[in-house]
Amino acid sequence: ETGVTQTPRHLVMGMTNKKSLKCEQHLGHNAMYWYKQSAKKPLELMFVYNFKEQTENNSVPSRFSPECPNSSHLFLHLHTLQPEDSALYLCASRATSGRFKGGELFFGEGSRLTVL
Amino acid sequence: KNQVEQSPQSLIILEGKNCTLQCNYTVSPFSNLRWYKQDTGRGPVSLTIMTFSENTKSNGRYTATLDADTKQSSLHITASQLSDSASYICVVSAQGAQKLVFGQGTRLTINP
Repeated sequence: ETGVTQTPRHLVMGMTNKKSLKCEQHLGHNAMYWYKQSAKKPLELMFVYNFKEQTENNSVPSRFSPECPNSSHLFLHLHTLQPEDSALYLCASRATSGRFKGGELFFGEGSRLTVL
Repeated sequence: KNQVEQSPQSLIILEGKNCTLQCNYTVSPFSNLRWYKQDTGRGPVSLTIMTFSENTKSNGRYTATLDADTKQSSLHITASQLSDSASYICVVSAQGAQKLVFGQGTRLTINP
């Protein structure tokens, strides 16, 4: 148990579906991240939120839409995805301010997404 | 360009044997380096962190080394166990630890 919870763990959707991934952290961290992990490739940073404000969008297609209502919750809304979007989507959080600057990334267990 | 290269891409060893995983980086300015372990179907978990002034650090059977001059790190696993089968990811922090650069990982398989 890392303190970062992702739901659902597995998701299968068609290209015309709309679904959402949810992430919740109980660690009091100020920064939250979405990463995409495809086979044999490094983790790809998608979005970064710091104190609820989006600070980084790594040229992610608009069919992925993040939402961060507060520092503890992060969503990734999915719409009209493509089969190549099938991957493991990892949420992470960490402290990036004050004496905790540069802290460890705590990852959730991931949401395995399959787009048919 | 900030990059982290890991080798080998995959490794298979027998239970009880030792192994060493490599990480070379070109990240600048360097802040710290972490090794993560990722079990299949799970999220990565931090094993150890190395800062600029540290040469070696141990966490049980895991020993990480850092050579800041040659920009190389290694993760040595002693007396491997079946539960060590996982992907090991090297992550380097730059720019005051705000930017993280990930390696592609080494897939380690321990056979009985």
